[in-house]
Amino acid sequence: GAGVSQSPSNKVTEKGKDVELRCDPISGHTALYWYRQSLGQGLEFLIYFQGNSAPDKSGLPSDRFSAERTGGSVSTLTIQRTQQEDSAVYLCASSSSGGSYGYTFGSGTRLTVV
Amino acid sequence: LAKTTQPISMDSYEGQEVNITCSHNNIATNDYITWYQQFPSQGPRFIIQGYKTKVTNEVASLFIPADRKSSTLSLPRVSLSDTAVYYCLVGPSGTYKYIFGTGTRLKVLA
Repeated sequence: GAGVSQSPSNKVTEKGKDVELRCDPISGHTALYWYRQSLGQGLEFLIYFQGNSAPDKSGLPSDRFSAERTGGSVSTLTIQRTQQEDSAVYLCASSSSGGSYGYTFGSGTRLTVV
Repeated sequence: LAKTTQPISMDSYEGQEVNITCSHNNIATNDYITWYQQFPSQGPRFIIQGYKTKVTNEVASLFIPADRKSSTLSLPRVSLSDTAVYYCLVGPSGTYKYIFGTGTRLKVLA
């Protein structure tokens, strides 16, 4: 596609429920990243996929968070048993290499846990 | 990854040139300097990247002194639409764990 697409754009969920956030990167981009941005804060790295290599999951805050990337394209970030502190904007980005000339970000999914 | 320091906020008026300086005293030899712009309710957008001296594109210029311990993003003749948060990031080419601080919140006034 022309840009990075994320869905849903907004998600309100009850504490304890599971949620899935979707990212559709730019076609041909081999690298895909997930970041989290809390209100008024910078971006927090979560996970990185590069081609067929094992993902770097070192930024995931707890084992309630997981992500997969199917067929080297679409990625899904799953948060199990959501907590109020999970409320944030979840941003996905992709790049054609390792990020030499910057990432292209999606508009994010605003997650609110009530 | 090198830590960066930039002003929390800046105000400017339409038509003025805006310079945002970022300090990165611990920059490594293979580190590049990259700037992103973020509007409300959007993801950050790549603006410019450089290694040394000066880089210019259609959006901005990036000035990097010889010691590379700081850099300055220059936005010529800003407009209201340039109101955004600007992030300075430092890391090797291909870095994916870029550390995004809180950035500089630029407000352009009419």
